[in-house]
Amino acid sequence: DQQVKQNSPSLSVQEGRISILNCDYTNSMFDYFLWYKKYPAEGPTFLISISSIKDKNEDGRFTVFLNKSAKHLSLHIVPSQPGDSAVYFCAASDWKAAGNKLTFGGGTRVLVKP
Amino acid sequence: NAGVTQTPKFQVLKTGQSMTLQCAQDMNHNSMYWYRQDPGMGLRLIYYSASEGTTDKGEVPNGYNVSRLNKREFSLRLESAAPSQTSVYFCASSGTGFEAFFGQGTRLTVV
Repeated sequence: DQQVKQNSPSLSVQEGRISILNCDYTNSMFDYFLWYKKYPAEGPTFLISISSIKDKNEDGRFTVFLNKSAKHLSLHIVPSQPGDSAVYFCAASDWKAAGNKLTFGGGTRVLVKP
Repeated sequence: NAGVTQTPKFQVLKTGQSMTLQCAQDMNHNSMYWYRQDPGMGLRLIYYSASEGTTDKGEVPNGYNVSRLNKREFSLRLESAAPSQTSVYFCASSGTGFEAFFGQGTRLTVV
């Protein structure tokens, strides 16, 4: 039973347009959420995060939105660039649990077309 | 600054063989993790170590063992490899925050 789900396995977007990636979670204990980006043959790298006390966090072209009542978060990339083509993973954590473990979604592959 | 270093990068094993994946971090992080990545499944936690001297099971621990050798090193051992363990393995570490830093991965094929 996946506690974190990314229902869109892939997304194709034109350069300069907005990319919207979605993520749903089922565990109400999760209170910290992260997005990771992964290029082929590399490890995931941290992109942006949000605490459950906020509903929005912005960092340059990347904005994460959190809707706690719907148990849903999204990542907006504006404007999308060819270098953004990668697999994006949503992750969640319960800060009260030991070890700061992350639970990941299945990933969304983004292709930004020039 | 190396961050998280994993060895080897690639490995082919025969069914029943054993091997140890090595991981070391130079960020003085307390927590370390082993994940496996399979298509469509994201990254699943195998084992983690919240601090030096402790280890705990994650979501998919069967067929694996770990050793937290010291604060820097966390190894993953496959005692008797099975084809179902064909995967990409990632080691990660984290400090006081939730952001985990990942190594470049080990691509393991069991034939």
